[in-house]
Amino acid sequence: QSALTQPASVSGSPGQSITISCTGTNSDVGSYNLVSWYQQHPGKAPKVIIYEASKRPSGVSDRFSASKSGNTASLTISGLQAEDEADYYCCSYAGSTTWVFGGGTKLTVL
Amino acid sequence: EVQLVESGGDLVQSGRSLRLSCAASGFTFKNYAMNWVRQAPGKGLEWVSSISGSGGTSIYADSVKGRFTISRDNSKNMVYLQMSGLRAEDTATYYCAKLYFDNLTGSPWGQGTLVTVSS
Repeated sequence: QSALTQPASVSGSPGQSITISCTGTNSDVGSYNLVSWYQQHPGKAPKVIIYEASKRPSGVSDRFSASKSGNTASLTISGLQAEDEADYYCCSYAGSTTWVFGGGTKLTVL
Repeated sequence: EVQLVESGGDLVQSGRSLRLSCAASGFTFKNYAMNWVRQAPGKGLEWVSSISGSGGTSIYADSVKGRFTISRDNSKNMVYLQMSGLRAEDTATYYCAKLYFDNLTGSPWGQGTLVTVSS
């Protein structure tokens, strides 16, 4: 049950694009397409922005996109906006009804 | 509207017990596995426990195995987390969440309830 690996922080200027990686193992990210990405603003509950590795829920901006290759999932945010400044977590199903989260990435919009 | 509302968080002494509750509404509760996820102050998210829709299967993170018990009452649309032998490292905001996303109910989370364990 080791946490998925994410960079601790990323930053970008408004209008730019950033990518956050999430590296797991053959037991989680590599075995299942059940990878979600959550956005969490300070003091708030996490909100899902990507599910099943690359799908966007209704109402989530199309500036958010994601993919998965092997044991690594990636989240890309294009056209950065001030409101995107938040913590981002990946989450993968790990079999036998267990889940594992990434350590989280703090996005700073410069 | 799909909604999860946690309650029961408190300040407790190390070694004591506490029960968290989560009230679900807006979806067919019995059809879905539910989870508890926690977040220590200033730290990341940690999956704690899952329970199947029927309540017949439950599983725990190694960090809480043997101390925490998840349960549910489908007649009341409630899920619970009984925590015993609490430690300082259990201090966290505890979220009730449906982690498996589906188009009907999404992946709702509650607002969280704070558990503080004093040593």
